[in-house]
Amino acid sequence: SAVISQKPSRDICQRGTSLTIQCQVDSQVTMMFWYRQQPGQSLTLIATANQGSEATYESGFVIDKFPISRPNLTFSTLTVSNMSPEDSSIYLCSVLASAKMGNTGELFFGEGSRLTVL
Amino acid sequence: KQEVTQIPAALSVPEGENLVLNCSFTDSAIYNLQWFRQDPGKGLTSLLLIQSSQREQTSGRLNASLDKSSGRSTLYIAASQPGDSATYLCAVTYRGSTLGRLYFGRGTQLTVWP
Repeated sequence: SAVISQKPSRDICQRGTSLTIQCQVDSQVTMMFWYRQQPGQSLTLIATANQGSEATYESGFVIDKFPISRPNLTFSTLTVSNMSPEDSSIYLCSVLASAKMGNTGELFFGEGSRLTVL
Repeated sequence: KQEVTQIPAALSVPEGENLVLNCSFTDSAIYNLQWFRQDPGKGLTSLLLIQSSQREQTSGRLNASLDKSSGRSTLYIAASQPGDSATYLCAVTYRGSTLGRLYFGRGTQLTVWP
C-alpha cells in the first residue's frame, strides 16, 4: 500500500479566501486523484493529476476554482479558490496502486483535509 | 448513469453478530470493486479489492463477494466488534473509465455496541 500525507488536516476559512492542500506520497506514483466529500454525501472525483501534464477535471469542476499542481511523482497540491460555505467539505487525495504495489487497480486515500468555510 | 447504491444506510448491532452489507451497481461492465472503511471525519481505508474476474475476497473477519450478472456485492463481517463501528463505502471502477475514477455509494453507517 501507499502512505499518503495531507496538510492541513483541517482548517476554518473565511469566505472569499483561498486555501492550498498538499498531498505527499511515500513512493512514486503515476496517477493521483482529488476527491471531495460534502457533508452527508459520498465522494465525488474533482480531477486526475498526472505528472507533467495538465490536470483533467470532471464535469462540474473547473481549473479556475480548483487549480492543481503536480510537480513530481510524489507530490500534488489542490487549491480551493474564492471559497464559499458550499465548499465546506473533506478533500481527499488518492493514488492508484503502482507497478511496485502490484498494479492491481486499487486506490489508496489520504486522511483528508476537512475545510469549513464561514 | 452509473450509480452505486448501498443498503442499509445505517445498521446498529450488538457485539458478536455476523452481518452483511449490500452494494448494488447499475452497469455490469466493471473493472473492479473496492470496499472502504471511513471513520468519522477521516480518510478512507481500503479493506478489500475484488477484480471483475473474481467471485470473492477475504481478509481476516471480512469477506466480500461479487456477482456481476446481478450487479451486486456483499461485505460480510464476522463476529462484529465495537471497533468495527464506522461507515463502509463501496466503490466501482467501470470498464472504459480511467483507472482511479471510482463511483461511490453513500455508505452504510455501522454501529456495534458492547
